[in-house]
Amino acid sequence: GESVGLHLPTLSVQEGDNSIINCAYSNSASDYFIWYKQESGKGPQFIIDIRSNMDKRQGQRVTVLLNKTVKHLSLQIAATQPGDSAVYFCAEIAYNQGGKLIFGQGTELSVKP
Amino acid sequence: DAGVIQSPRHEVTEMGQEVTLRCKPISGHNSLFWYRQTMMRGLELLIYFNNNVPIDDSGMPEDRFSAKMPNASFSTLKIQPSEPRDSAVYFCASSWTGFVDTQYFGPGTRLTVL
Repeated sequence: GESVGLHLPTLSVQEGDNSIINCAYSNSASDYFIWYKQESGKGPQFIIDIRSNMDKRQGQRVTVLLNKTVKHLSLQIAATQPGDSAVYFCAEIAYNQGGKLIFGQGTELSVKP
Repeated sequence: DAGVIQSPRHEVTEMGQEVTLRCKPISGHNSLFWYRQTMMRGLELLIYFNNNVPIDDSGMPEDRFSAKMPNASFSTLKIQPSEPRDSAVYFCASSWTGFVDTQYFGPGTRLTVL
């Protein structure tokens, strides 16, 4: 979901462990959800997306789960690597609200070697 | 493909000065987006073009901000006059068609207004 604040939530994991990053979205009419990864000094990079008619989608080392009942989205990263350290944003689109991409606050993932 | 190109990467200016940020979208993409990122407000959409036409500029903060897309390969975001509260990272993104398709972001321009 979208919130305003000075400090991002932080998740610290050990290299090789699995990571789960959570996101609560705000609009029950949202149709499309995307996870972006943003490394320091770079723009957001697309990771994986999911439509509202699905509850799970898998990519390479990543899985996105969607629970529409509680408006919750999660990103699971398997065998987390130091290169996965970044800020992760969930984003939602509601086509009945102009189809704008609304970004969540972001979660900072820190991978310890 | 070179991806979305933005210039300059960093801009430091004084309050009251005009600032112009530039963007070259990915070739063939029909939609272009300007975003602003701050710690307080996160990523916010400022304006969205489709086929060089502004479709939604409701995110533009005020009249000091203007954006143009004279052709399919170039867009500018101008701030005149600039204010310290405009300090942020400004991203340009492009997609094949609107919000439905994946948006590819540029590296951003870090703007500091003193």
